[in-house]
Amino acid sequence: GENVEQHPSTLSVQEGDSAVIKCTYSDSASNYFPWYKQELGKGPQLIIDIRSNVGEKKDQRIAVTLNKTAKHFSLHITETQPEDSAVYFCAATTNDYKLSFGAGTTVTVRA
Amino acid sequence: EPEVTQTPSHQVTQMGQEVILRCVPISNHLYFYWYRQILGQKVEFLVSFYNNEISEKSEIFDDQFSVERPDGSNFTLKIRSTKLEDSAMYFCASSDDSGETQYFGPGTRLLVL
Repeated sequence: GENVEQHPSTLSVQEGDSAVIKCTYSDSASNYFPWYKQELGKGPQLIIDIRSNVGEKKDQRIAVTLNKTAKHFSLHITETQPEDSAVYFCAATTNDYKLSFGAGTTVTVRA
Repeated sequence: EPEVTQTPSHQVTQMGQEVILRCVPISNHLYFYWYRQILGQKVEFLVSFYNNEISEKSEIFDDQFSVERPDGSNFTLKIRSTKLEDSAMYFCASSDDSGETQYFGPGTRLLVL
């Protein structure tokens, strides 16, 4: 089955700086890659996703890049703010809709 | 904005007891899922449900587990004869007819004593 690795496990950044989280996946058939943000006491919330026919997608301060050849994808958060502090999860899936998650990255934005 | 809801938010049960976790998916969604997250571990897929039947299940989802859509709005996960290792956060999710973008509920924290 699909195995998703996520790095780093923790990330501390100064407010205003950028944060980058990287994930690799094992199943070359995976074609959909969502990113979720989980705040304390809440469920994972979808923040951005990318499909395999696209190399990059941006939504305001958040961007995701995908390299299918290398089987890795990354989340970029620019101009970080305190409210960006949360746990971020990457995930991957093939057409069977079963999401395989990374282990999560705890992001702390220092004011 | 429509959202997935789950009840209860917390459940404490004795080992060997049965629990039912309840979810109300987003109203026009057709695909339903259960995931779990054991403390400190990855979120793991348990089961997906479409057209009133299980479409896929993981090896975790053995005979101890069952799912049901008893009416047009609820989606339940039943865990029979709970074990200590069933203690986890259980998330329900749903997606529309594309089946891809999954929206998660806030979770039920299950503690088996």
